[in-house]
Amino acid sequence: DTGVSQDPRHKITKRGQNVTFRCDPISEHNRLYWYRQTLGQGPEFLTYFQNEAQLEKSRLLSDRFSAERPKGSFSTLEIQRTEQGDSAMYLCASVPAILAYNEQFFGPGTRLTVL
Amino acid sequence: GQQLNQSPQSMFIQEGEDVSMNCTSSSIFNTWLWYKQDPGEGPVLLIALYKAGELTSNGRLTAQFGITRKDSFLNISASIPSDVGIYFCAGQDNTNAGKSTFGDGTTLTVKP
Repeated sequence: DTGVSQDPRHKITKRGQNVTFRCDPISEHNRLYWYRQTLGQGPEFLTYFQNEAQLEKSRLLSDRFSAERPKGSFSTLEIQRTEQGDSAMYLCASVPAILAYNEQFFGPGTRLTVL
Repeated sequence: GQQLNQSPQSMFIQEGEDVSMNCTSSSIFNTWLWYKQDPGEGPVLLIALYKAGELTSNGRLTAQFGITRKDSFLNISASIPSDVGIYFCAGQDNTNAGKSTFGDGTTLTVKP
């Protein structure tokens, strides 16, 4: 499978615990985006990387959230001291270098449930 | 910030019927995208629109980029049961970020 992959697909955690999600973009896609989607709503932008550089962060990304893309390939999203309001689907998308940033290819998402 | 209003919120139709849904924005977009999302999966791109007035088809799907650049619509002709899902519009502005602003989706149910 050469699409965007995300791991884990589901995560259940207790409030206050830390969680980390991983995204593997399509090979040679240099832009990587993180979105959050709650039930009944469309995805909301969180942050994006061009290669290893994090170029923009949304106001939604509080201090408890941190994202990295150390080698410009896979990315991780960590949430510290999780809260019930963090329960959502976390989606990753990647864009190839050739296209003009428009057509984002999404992964299957990580469903986070905070108890 | 930018907001997208997508309507209708849900649709219940009979197999074979045509479907139309639309998105309006409070601000101008340079790109409109339409996605379909199945339960538990990420959105899958259906159609991308890059120019005002552009009309693009993908099989039974047709989408248009509004002339004002503040709206777009998606039509599905001769619906089939596998069209069931949530359809999202998304807009991208003229910055280089390429991030998308999404509507809240139209849930489509097709009755055989």
